[in-house]
Amino acid sequence: QKEVEQNSGPLSVPEGAIASLNCTYSDRGSQSFFWYRQYSGKSPELIMFIYSNGDKEDGRFTAQLNKASQYVSLLIRDSQPSDSATYLCAVLGGWGGGADGLTFGKGTHLIIQP
Amino acid sequence: NAGVTQTPKFQVLKTGQSMTLQCAQDMNHNSMYWYRQDPGMGLRLIYYSASEGTTDKGEVPNGYNVSRLNKREFSLRLESAAPSQTSVYFCASNLPVGQGSYEQYFGPGTRLTVT
Repeated sequence: QKEVEQNSGPLSVPEGAIASLNCTYSDRGSQSFFWYRQYSGKSPELIMFIYSNGDKEDGRFTAQLNKASQYVSLLIRDSQPSDSATYLCAVLGGWGGGADGLTFGKGTHLIIQP
Repeated sequence: NAGVTQTPKFQVLKTGQSMTLQCAQDMNHNSMYWYRQDPGMGLRLIYYSASEGTTDKGEVPNGYNVSRLNKREFSLRLESAAPSQTSVYFCASNLPVGQGSYEQYFGPGTRLTVT
């Protein structure tokens, strides 16, 4: 069974700084990786997915993948108070049966300090 | 286009009672999922369905049953609720986005309390 590890935090970052969120995974064969943002009491919202080694940028967000080290990260530039949320790292697949459910980490609680 | 819908939004049960959580998606997705989320535990996969008529167990299936009624609907049933099943339940469906990857869309969740 896949395992996904995240530091639960809270991670406190000043407004305008770069927030760096990290995730490691156990299955070396994993192919696709996702970052979700979840506000308190709400459902997870997809921010980024990545499947190739290296960086992938989308606006203020950059996902980084290093399959050799089994490490995924999410950078948030110019952090805003609205970025305060729990960030969930997830790995796709491994459940068989032709469907691809996600295995989630426990999430990192990010606080952006005004 | 409503996406993924779930009913009810909130429910309180007594130990031993039964109930069914309903989920529907209008995006014509083949695969659907049920997750539960507990404080400090992240989301864990309960059951999933790759297509109409098929269901499979995920990480934490004990105490639950599911039905994939048709392509749109995927229900989760608790036959005899226990306090350990107090949780927030999310239904999801997915969309292939190429390169062997998928996006999963989540419903708004059902907050269940078992006393």
